[in-house]
Amino acid sequence: GNSVTQMEGPVTLSEEAFLTINCTYTATGYPSLFWYVQYPGEGLQLLLKATKADDKGSNKGFEATYRKETTSFHLEKGSVQVSDSAVYFCAADPMDSNYQLIWGAGTKLIIKP
Amino acid sequence: EPEVTQTPSHQVTQMGQEVILRCVPISNHLYFYWYRQILGQKVEFLVSFYNNEISEKSEIFDDQFSVERPDGSNFTLKIRSTKLEDSAMYFCASRGTSGGSTDTQYFGPGTRLTVL
Repeated sequence: GNSVTQMEGPVTLSEEAFLTINCTYTATGYPSLFWYVQYPGEGLQLLLKATKADDKGSNKGFEATYRKETTSFHLEKGSVQVSDSAVYFCAADPMDSNYQLIWGAGTKLIIKP
Repeated sequence: EPEVTQTPSHQVTQMGQEVILRCVPISNHLYFYWYRQILGQKVEFLVSFYNNEISEKSEIFDDQFSVERPDGSNFTLKIRSTKLEDSAMYFCASRGTSGGSTDTQYFGPGTRLTVL
């Protein structure tokens, strides 16, 4: 079946450190891929997306590249800030479902000043 | 920028009571969804809705749950007899007119349901 696997958290980094949060997916066909962010006490916000192989999504300094060969969509940021502290969810939209999103478990990111 | 809204932001209810969670999707969207997130856990799909009917539902969405689009703008989730395990954050989402997988689902801020 379809699934999304994310690295477990929490991930704790110092400000200005490099961030990678791993995400891999299992799906039939070529799903669209998304990263959503949930700040403390808030809802889900779309961070970035990619809809086909080799596409790179980017927003607010975050990037993720759709890698078909490794079925991955790792989230990266070159220099994190305290304000990036949140839970990050990787999600996939498989072509064979009624466009419901398949979610990873979420990775809590803690940035220390 | 258009956004999905949800009311109330927090609902507290007694076990066995009925609750209705309300959502106003983005106005020109045609596909609507409910998800839930139990505290500290992953987001789970409940139901999708298109053309005034349920198009897909998960195992969680049993006979105690129902959805409705009563007036062309609101999209509601009803839980007939709440259980303790229904306590969660409930998110509404909507997506664009074409329905293709390239469309993004836009989420509301969520309703936190607490069942006592």
